[in-house]
Amino acid sequence: NAGVMQNPRHLVRRRGQEARLRCSPMKGHSHVYWYRQLPEEGLKFMVYLQKENIIDESGMPKERFSAEFPKEGPSILRIQQVVRGDSAAYFCASSPGYGSEKLFFGSGTQLSVL
Amino acid sequence: DAKTTQPTSMDCAEGRAANLPCNHSTISGNEYVYWYRQIHSQGPQYIIHGLKNNETNEMASLIITEDRKSSTLILPHATLRDTAVYYCIVRGPTRGGSNYKLTFGKGTLLTVNP
Repeated sequence: NAGVMQNPRHLVRRRGQEARLRCSPMKGHSHVYWYRQLPEEGLKFMVYLQKENIIDESGMPKERFSAEFPKEGPSILRIQQVVRGDSAAYFCASSPGYGSEKLFFGSGTQLSVL
Repeated sequence: DAKTTQPTSMDCAEGRAANLPCNHSTISGNEYVYWYRQIHSQGPQYIIHGLKNNETNEMASLIITEDRKSSTLILPHATLRDTAVYYCIVRGPTRGGSNYKLTFGKGTLLTVNP
């Protein structure tokens, strides 16, 4: 039973380019969370999604960042016009549904902006 | 969610018990204590959680004081692979879909030495 899969593992972008980070939740999980970990800092909540629905995006920067979790396929975190400050590790977690006590995290995508 | 305080770092000898403390003096009566850990370059991993009774699973034991203002995570026989940052998190009940966020602090870097 595969765990949460994130790809790519490492992503390098130049300033101004777009970054797309993918997350496939564990089998049977319909809820996805995205967290960001800046260098030397703790993990910060970004967004919580259910299939085809954003439940809470209070941790998302107001501009350039968006997330989706379509009916079919992985969840996508999209960062437009990346800047150096976007360099961080982005982690995805999944859970079976509402009221889940445990979150299962992927190995993350390390985004480096040159 | 209540704030938690953990030591920045700890050392432990391989094969010995590792006891990681956490203070959460403002915890509310219905808030749970969760422990996650993050091994270098990986996503966080759930360890254990509890409300007021001591808990044990295959990974660790959780001892919560009677007044619930502090707790200790015990790894009974630490191995080199247990070297990680350990996060103590206080979180309200998840029933009904609330309290879905995990708020990560700086955690304790546990280094297990050979």
